[in-house]
Amino acid sequence: EAGVVQSPRYKIIEKKQPVAFWCNPISGHNTLYWYLQNLGQGPELLIRYENEEAVDDSQLPKDRFSAERLKGVDSTLKIQPAELGDSAVYLCASSLGAGGSYEQYFGPGTRLTVT
Amino acid sequence: QKEVEQNSGPLSVPEGAIASLNCTYSDRGSQSFFWYRQYSGKSPELIMSIYSNGDKEDGRFTAQLNKASQYVSLLIRDSQPSDSATYLCAVNLNSGNTPLVFGKGTRLSVIA
Repeated sequence: EAGVVQSPRYKIIEKKQPVAFWCNPISGHNTLYWYLQNLGQGPELLIRYENEEAVDDSQLPKDRFSAERLKGVDSTLKIQPAELGDSAVYLCASSLGAGGSYEQYFGPGTRLTVT
Repeated sequence: QKEVEQNSGPLSVPEGAIASLNCTYSDRGSQSFFWYRQYSGKSPELIMSIYSNGDKEDGRFTAQLNKASQYVSLLIRDSQPSDSATYLCAVNLNSGNTPLVFGKGTRLSVIA
């Protein structure tokens, strides 16, 4: 079974530029999460999707971050414009969803560097 | 504010010894508990989940949960150099697909 797929793996951009990250969850997983991880910290949630619906986006900085999960499968997270403080690893995770396992599985992440 | 606390380490143990990693959490209503292993430059990898009080064993790993003390631990028996990594404790409030609250992780170093 294929795991969570993310791209790109690495991205270097200048501040004020836009950037987008893509995630494809494990097949059959209805719940998708975007987390942010800074060095030396645990992951922190940005947004959670149940199928197509964003059910928890309270930690998403909506002035510059946006996300979508069209058709309830893959998802895109966008930052526009990027700031120096956005440099971090952006992790996507998925789980089966209601009635299934609560275990969350992570993709390889996208390491973003904003210069 | 939901908090998960871990000693950042590093915890150094000799090869073949038992490594004991500890985690406390603030929210008494927490229901699900997970241990993730994260190698440097890699993403977290789920190694154990535990939902009820007591011990759960999987190979060389044993997770222990004590909800009354709000404490969860991970024991690694016969530690190997390949176990050297950061171990993240994660907790969620409900037994559902709610976001995980992570600790900062404990860095384990197994010395050959």
